Amino acid sequence: DSGVTQTPKHLITATGQRVTLRCSPRSGDLSVYWYQQSLDQGLQFLIQYYNGEERAKGNILERFSAQQFPDLHSELNLSSLELGDSALYFCASSPRGGSPDTQYFGPGTRLTVL
Amino acid sequence: AQTVTQSQPEMSVQEAETVTLSCTYDTSESDYYLFWYKQPPSRQMILVIRQEAYKQQNATENRFSVNFQKAAKSFSLKISDSQLGDAAMYFCAYRSAYGYSTLTFGKGTMLLVSP
Repeated sequence: DSGVTQTPKHLITATGQRVTLRCSPRSGDLSVYWYQQSLDQGLQFLIQYYNGEERAKGNILERFSAQQFPDLHSELNLSSLELGDSALYFCASSPRGGSPDTQYFGPGTRLTVL
Repeated sequence: AQTVTQSQPEMSVQEAETVTLSCTYDTSESDYYLFWYKQPPSRQMILVIRQEAYKQQNATENRFSVNFQKAAKSFSLKISDSQLGDAAMYFCAYRSAYGYSTLTFGKGTMLLVSP
């Protein structure tokens, strides 16, 4: 158990809908990262937050957004969902967000878009 | 941009034997970190081992060790005394030492362990 929690574990929804994925980092970690794992694209970095502020952006679609709240939990919002958004979404956390940090991953949320 | 290549989509090993998973990376940077993550059927991403580029000594964690060849940009993972529980997808990942960079992953190697 990495100490990172994600809810829900599974999510099934329809095209065009909007969903919210939630992540709670390890105790004391200030930085949160979101990754998408799909069969065709592999593991891709989406976005990073540090202490409530956006730090880095990767291959995140405009239909996707995220935020980190004062209690440091983070939410990833996916809207206008398409079949291709079906994937495993991971959250990871690290103490400070700088390069020496090791990222610890949550168990993931499996999103299925029908 | 950095890239990470794992050229072995699948590897097989018998219990108690040793197996080596390959990883190469491309970067123009001199300082960085390399990682191996394990993803078992539960899909959880578990950190196996970490290597800092400026440290010449190869990292080891119990039965797991790496062969880090900086000039060749190679970072292989050796698993000794393989166990059934080692069966998983293994991902090699790169992280720059500069700024707030994030992980770049390879495509992964599926390790099969037979009794």
